[in-house]
Amino acid sequence: DADVTQTPRNRITKTGKRIMLECSQTKGHDRMYWYRQDPGLGLRLIYYSFDVKDINKGEISDGYSVSRQAQAKFSLSLESAIPNQTALYFCATSDFTRTSGGYNEQFFGPGTRLTVL
Amino acid sequence: DQQVKQNSPSLSVQEGRISILNCDYTNSMFDYFLWYKKYPAEGPTFLISISSIKDKNEDGRFTVFLNKSAKHLSLHIVPSQPGDSAVYFCAASGDSWGKLQFGAGTQVVVTP
Repeated sequence: DADVTQTPRNRITKTGKRIMLECSQTKGHDRMYWYRQDPGLGLRLIYYSFDVKDINKGEISDGYSVSRQAQAKFSLSLESAIPNQTALYFCATSDFTRTSGGYNEQFFGPGTRLTVL
Repeated sequence: DQQVKQNSPSLSVQEGRISILNCDYTNSMFDYFLWYKKYPAEGPTFLISISSIKDKNEDGRFTVFLNKSAKHLSLHIVPSQPGDSAVYFCAASGDSWGKLQFGAGTQVVVTP
């Protein structure tokens, strides 16, 4: 079974609709992240959370909101979707270990392809 | 303004030869660097990393070199195999919060 799962895997919606993308993890990691990938731009950070009481904006948070329902669940919402939010969305998790000084690799889910018409 | 740049969008290499992927960064506060590999319809998977206190890290066929003065890192894959055909992302971090800045990616195609 996958350690980081995302639902749905594909979604087509219309401008103005509210959309929620969900992420669950079984890795037991405290840190969770949402990224979007656009052609030619790589992955850009939308929001990140270090525990259920901690939510932080990334570099492109406008138009998005998140909810950390539990250590294992981190949801991304588009309150009113617009066509330029068409992209591939990835959730990721990471662990914090003092021996590494906090530097650890992130583990990614399979992604959600979102199309806004 | 992208702080991590991969200027080659694609690379074609013959099976058995060396693949060299390049990455440049502009933020001197970056001190931890990672390479990720991504197949279609899958999420990126971690490949190899390097801390700024080192200039080389090796893991099997994969070696990452870091030149801090030039703000440049490279990934060498030797020998290249067909299964290495994927998009490779360079990423950098400048704090212990784990936030990563990604490059745009390089599509590698290994031909027989």
